Amino acid sequence: DAGVIQSPRHEVTEMGQEVTLRCKPISGHNSLFWYRQTMMRGLELLIYFNNNVPIDDSGMPEDRFSAKMPNASFSTLKIQPSEPRDSAVYFCASSLGDTDTQYFGPGTRLTVL
Amino acid sequence: AQSVTQPDIHITVSEGASLELRCNYSYGATPYLFWYVQSPGQGLQLLLKYFSGDTLVQGIKGFEAEFKRSQSSFNLRKPSVHWSDAAEYFCAATWDGNKLVFGAGTILRVKS
Repeated sequence: DAGVIQSPRHEVTEMGQEVTLRCKPISGHNSLFWYRQTMMRGLELLIYFNNNVPIDDSGMPEDRFSAKMPNASFSTLKIQPSEPRDSAVYFCASSLGDTDTQYFGPGTRLTVL
Repeated sequence: AQSVTQPDIHITVSEGASLELRCNYSYGATPYLFWYVQSPGQGLQLLLKYFSGDTLVQGIKGFEAEFKRSQSSFNLRKPSVHWSDAAEYFCAATWDGNKLVFGAGTILRVKS
């Protein structure tokens, strides 16, 4: 099993640019989660999907952030426009469903200059 | 609010010594509990989890954790630490089966 796949692994961009992070969950998993990790706030849940439907987006910091899951094998997290305070490591995780273990991808390190 | 506390930001132990990392969760219904480990530049790897039943759970890499309801704790232990155990360890909990709440993490250094 390939595990959760995220791309790119590293992204450096300038303030104001659009950034798109990608995630491929483990095949057969029907829940997908986006987390952000920063020194100041630690690991925090941004949004999660169940069967491709967004269930809880209360962790999304502001309207500049959006996430989609067009099918069971792909999700994107978009930031437009990006700001320096968005610099963080963004993790995607997937699970079989409620109460199941979440398996994390390697993360995308985003730097906004 | 539901929260997870890891009171130790850094811990240093000698190789071969025993290890205990502390984790407490906020009061209320008992959550599902997890310990993850993160090596530098890597994602999070699950060490072990507690849902119900036996309060002493065994995980990978020789780790175990004990759930104590009376203390709202889920401490991680290892009897003999190896240099390769140096990493950051996160305790996490979920009260609804989906939203994981993470502690701030404990960075483990291993002295040779």
